[in-house]
Amino acid sequence: DTAVSQTPKYLVTQMGNDKSIKCEQNLGHDTMYWYKQDSKKFLKIMFSYNNKELIINETVPNRFSPKSPDKAHLNLHINSLELGDSAVYFCASSPLVSSDTQYFGPGTRLTVL
Amino acid sequence: TQLLEQSPQFLSIQEGENLTVYCNSSSVFSSLQWYRQEPGEGPVLLVTVVTGGEVKKLKRLTFQFGDARKDSSLHITAAQTGDTGLYLCAGANTGNQFYFGTGTSLTVIP
Repeated sequence: DTAVSQTPKYLVTQMGNDKSIKCEQNLGHDTMYWYKQDSKKFLKIMFSYNNKELIINETVPNRFSPKSPDKAHLNLHINSLELGDSAVYFCASSPLVSSDTQYFGPGTRLTVL
Repeated sequence: TQLLEQSPQFLSIQEGENLTVYCNSSSVFSSLQWYRQEPGEGPVLLVTVVTGGEVKKLKRLTFQFGDARKDSSLHITAAQTGDTGLYLCAGANTGNQFYFGTGTSLTVIP
């Protein structure tokens, strides 16, 4: 019974391509997040959605576009991939915007060649 | 961006030893969390501390929030190989947005 799932687990692609990462949570949570973890293991928030509405948008290139078709899903689309986009991307969810308990997915390792 | 510096960055110890990991910032946080992340997986929440000076114990792990709510420590007693992992602190601002620390990679050698 996976709580927060992401697909794919691994993604290898060429520079300039467009790719998407999908995230689903079956916890009934209202809030979902995308984080980026770089090669030094630094984890930084990118976006936060509450009930399909964007509430946090950190300084992220506009090549990154999150989409939330419903509150159980938050997908991340990346246009014109660059070498610096290589990282592990984590999806997370929490019950409420004000909740301090976040549940993380297993991550998607993106490698841009 | 509110920076949380963790020290040490890497730690390798023998099973049975004690260790302390520190998380420091110049910013005040409304709450602070500690996570453990194992290779190939996402971080898992260990504890949340919210009151300055608060101490929480989770079996062999002791967490403390600084009086000024700017720093925290994680102490592990009698480390076991299962404690191996990446330990991350995360501080929440008043908008409940979390900023993660720089991480401490712990290896416990049998």
